[in-house]
Amino acid sequence: DAMVIQNPRYQVTQFGKPVTLSCSQTLNHNVMYWYQQKSSQAPKLLFHYYDKDFNNEADTPDNFQSRRPNTSFCFLDIRSPGLGDAAMYLCATSRDRVTLYEQYFGPGTRLTVT
Amino acid sequence: GQQVMQIPQYQHVQEGEDFTTYCNSSTTLSNIQWYKQRPGGHPVFLIQLVKSGEVKKQKRLTFQFGEAKKNSSLHITATQTTDVGTYFCAGRDDYKLSFGAGTTVTVRA
Repeated sequence: DAMVIQNPRYQVTQFGKPVTLSCSQTLNHNVMYWYQQKSSQAPKLLFHYYDKDFNNEADTPDNFQSRRPNTSFCFLDIRSPGLGDAAMYLCATSRDRVTLYEQYFGPGTRLTVT
Repeated sequence: GQQVMQIPQYQHVQEGEDFTTYCNSSTTLSNIQWYKQRPGGHPVFLIQLVKSGEVKKQKRLTFQFGEAKKNSSLHITATQTTDVGTYFCAGRDDYKLSFGAGTTVTVRA
């Protein structure tokens, strides 16, 4: 089945230790999004790639970076995680961004910062 | 930017009863999407509404888009335990979705 895959599902990192979260998709979608979701809150968009074009949200901290080496893969890098970065990180894809397509979410990576 | 408000934040429902969750936007929406997130899960797309006054049904779920395209509702009839989760509405704000805060539904058997 075509899908959005995230690895790992659970990640524990130490305060200040860089961490990378991975997302892959078999949907061949042009757009890949990274969201941060904290408990009992709505997903918050961090940034997205439209093909190779990176689009950062204005309020996304510099601590968060992303890479998309090819259509299928997208990575979220947190350079120096703080305790406040503990959250669920959701990757999502969409066929296009300007037309009326739904987003397909991966299962998420739950990040714990110790 | 666009603000999407959703009420109520929590809905405790007796199994078999009906309930409605509401979504309101500060601006006119081109379309609205609804997602469901089960406890411990990820958001899953339910439906999209595009036309003014549009009504769509999925089994026991009825989705409605307001005439002015500034509000939407989700009505669930005969609630079942499988309806447990958080329901998000999301309005498209240019290239991104602006999510409401969600309505978390719990069901009393």
